[in-house]
Amino acid sequence: EVQLVESGGDLVQPGGSLRLSCAASGYTFSTYWMDWVRQAPGKGLEWVANIKEDGSEKNYVDSVKGRFTISRDNAKKSLYLQMNDLRAEDTAVYFCARDLMGASCHWGQGILVTVSS
Amino acid sequence: QSVLTQPPSASGTPGQRVTISCSGSTPNIGRNSVSWFHQLPGTAPKLLIYRNNQRPAGVPDRFSGSKSGTSASLAISGLQSEDESDYYCATWDGSLNVVVFGGGTKLTVL
Repeated sequence: EVQLVESGGDLVQPGGSLRLSCAASGYTFSTYWMDWVRQAPGKGLEWVANIKEDGSEKNYVDSVKGRFTISRDNAKKSLYLQMNDLRAEDTAVYFCARDLMGASCHWGQGILVTVSS
Repeated sequence: QSVLTQPPSASGTPGQRVTISCSGSTPNIGRNSVSWFHQLPGTAPKLLIYRNNQRPAGVPDRFSGSKSGTSASLAISGLQSEDESDYYCATWDGSLNVVVFGGGTKLTVL
């Protein structure tokens, strides 16, 4: 069974940093693109970033460029999102997803990040 | 404001057919495949349709997708109470180099 489990969410002050992790199991992690998608409270889905199977290509939404870094460790079957200089508008539930636009799309359950003083 | 435009709400009675539209432009829907997701409150989204009109295993054939030009649609026939959910369209935007989502449509079964 495919499982994606996010962790690392927390309450952090503006300007602070946080690292989210997504642990994958039940499939060959290294054969799929991975994405991070977030959802602010009461709002719609917003794509954040994605990373190619081997980590050689990464894309980001403009609002997080220069502040967030997506990475993966295929040996550990894990996806990461390093978030720096956090702002109130980054408050959201963050989901990791496999093969977001494909037939094998699968989402994690999400993890809450709250940026507040 | 979302790059893809969806109606904020839609409704229908049990057994009816409902369609949800998703309007974009050439760099996104015009040149790339569309996926549809549904999401119940407090839960993760789930894939409904990929590659414009393909259903993953387990999705009933009451759900169908289509795409024409720079617009896509999700149709739900034989509406059931459990279809009450939020629905999102998404695609790659080759001009922005990002995945773009619609703003979401809240479907109410009356």
